[in-house]
Amino acid sequence: EVQVVESGGGLVQPGGSLRLSCEASGFTFSSHWMSWVRQAPGKGLEWVANINQDGREKYSVDSVKGRFTISRDNARNSLYLQMDSLRAEDTAVFYCARYLLGQYTMDVWGQGTTVTVSS
Amino acid sequence: QSALTQPRSVSGSPGQSVTISCTGTSSDVGYYNYVSWYQHHPGKAPKLLIYDVSKRPSEVPGRFSGSKSGNTASLTISGLQAEDEADYYCCSYAGSDIHYVFGTGTKVTVL
Repeated sequence: EVQVVESGGGLVQPGGSLRLSCEASGFTFSSHWMSWVRQAPGKGLEWVANINQDGREKYSVDSVKGRFTISRDNARNSLYLQMDSLRAEDTAVFYCARYLLGQYTMDVWGQGTTVTVSS
Repeated sequence: QSALTQPRSVSGSPGQSVTISCTGTSSDVGYYNYVSWYQHHPGKAPKLLIYDVSKRPSEVPGRFSGSKSGNTASLTISGLQAEDEADYYCCSYAGSDIHYVFGTGTKVTVL
């Protein structure tokens, strides 16, 4: 079964750090672009960052640039999101998503992991 | 970059058709044919329904269809069913600076 499973969410104080992980299975992880998308409470989905197959191309939304770092380990079939200098407005459910091969579409999503930034 | 504009809610009776609009700009929806639609039941993984404006993954029922005219994309659900009650989001590629922008989301209610 093709799936991605997120982990690593939790409660963190403003200014703190957290590292999210996403473990992929059922497909050739190293062949796909991957992405993180988040949903703040009561809000819609927001694309956060993506990374190409070998990890050399990375892009992110302006609001997290300089604070969040996306990375991957193809040997471990895993995607990561290192989040530093967290703010209250980063509170959200974070989803890991796979891109369709050769497409601009995220086709496989996980159920998400919740990040709460609060003192 | 602002979110794409969707109606907050739409509703219909079982068997009816509903259409959800997704309005962007000439820099995203109007420029690229990379509009996708997702169904999201709270607490679950979003599900891809439509990609590249009108393409449908093989596992998605044919009663879901997509189209685009100018800066507005649309998702139509024909033969509405109870299990279609969910939140729906559009998403468009927006170029190498912005990358991706999602819609504001639409709650579909089956009466």
